[in-house]
Parts: sequence; structure tokens; C-alpha cells
Amino acid sequence: DTAVSQTPKYLVTQMGNDKSIKCEQNLGHDTMYWYKQDSKKFLKIMFSYNNKELIINETVPNRFSPKSPDKAHLNLHINSLELGDSAVYFCASTQSVSGGFNTQYFGPGTRLTVL
Amino acid sequence: AQSVTQLGSHVSVSEGALVLLRCNYSSSVPPYLFWYVQYPNQGLQLLLKYTTGATLVKGINGFEAEFKKSETSFHLTKPSAHMSDAAEYFCAVSPFGNEKLTFGTGTRLTIIP
Repeated sequence: DTAVSQTPKYLVTQMGNDKSIKCEQNLGHDTMYWYKQDSKKFLKIMFSYNNKELIINETVPNRFSPKSPDKAHLNLHINSLELGDSAVYFCASTQSVSGGFNTQYFGPGTRLTVL
Repeated sequence: AQSVTQLGSHVSVSEGALVLLRCNYSSSVPPYLFWYVQYPNQGLQLLLKYTTGATLVKGINGFEAEFKKSETSFHLTKPSAHMSDAAEYFCAVSPFGNEKLTFGTGTRLTIIP
């Protein structure tokens, strides 16, 4: 059973289009994240949701809009795609702990290519 | 604010040789420290983590890391490299009580037969 899954695995699209990436976790976690990994492998957090509420928003352009319909899902919608959005997007999840830190489990990634 | 510096974007070692991947961190509060591994075309997998307590942490696949506060370091080692260790390795830091992970830029480990 896949703990954190993402769809699609690959996404190729034209500039200006709108696209969505879906993430689901079956670990019963209450916190989910989106990370972006650029062409140089630099990995940076974009968003974090806890119990469907936005917790972290790392000054990401507002063309990116995360949506969490429930604790197990965190989708990422991107409007007006730009060349610089080409990257691998990783979803992750964890169970929040007061005053502590639990392991984040990562999905397999979605490789987005904007032409 | 916190940051992570990984010295050496590429490291090559011979099979059977010692693996040493360097990580230095900066954190204004006591840090939690992590090493993740990424195999080609796959997501990140946790190798090991330091939160509190014993400063020498053992992880999966024979890897271990030692938290040295005086040196602000968390270097990853493995006594004997195996071909299957070839991957990208990421060091990450999170300030105490905060779930935000800040990653280093990664080190690509190549194993020479």
C-alpha cells in the first residue's frame, strides 16, 4: 500500500495553462505539505496544511493555490503556468506533535514540465 | 532563521570505502536534524534523525550521523560503501517544536566499483 501517493507522475503542458496535482495519504496524518524541487535539486517548502487549515505559506506566487478537501488530501492547483514552474513537486505528510517533530513521509513526486 | 550547508555537491567513493557526507546547520533554537536519501526518480526517504538525547544516531542501511553542537555539524557516515548507496542525500533542519523543514542543496553520492 502506498503511504503518500501523487497524481500524475509526469505532467507536460504549455505556458499559460492551468493544471492540478493531487496528493493523498493513507497514514492517518493530520498535516500535509507541498515542496518544490528545482532543476538543481534544491528542495523548498511551499505550503503546509494542518487539519485542512493553511499553516505555512512560503511566499509562493498566488498562481499556486493549495486545496485540502479533507485531512487525507492536499491538492495543488497552478494557474497561468510559467516556464519557471518546471520542477518536481513533492507532497509529504506527518502527524503533528505538540512541541516536537515527527517524520515527514514523502510521495514519489510529480515532474512538471512547462513548454 | 535556520539554514543548512552541505559541503560537496558530488562525492565519489570506492565500493567498500568509508562514506562521509558533510552537513553544517545554522539555527537560532535547538535544532532537529535529518538526513534523507533520494534514489533516482523516487521520493525522499528518511535515513535518520536527531531530536534530543544521544548525539550519535543510527539509521537505516548502516548509516549513522553525529550531532556536534560545538561544530554545528551533523555529518553522515557509513563504514563501507555499497553500490546500492548511490543516490542523492539531503540534510535538513527544523527548529525545535516547528514542523518546517529546511533542506540543504543535496550531495550526489557515486560509488566506484
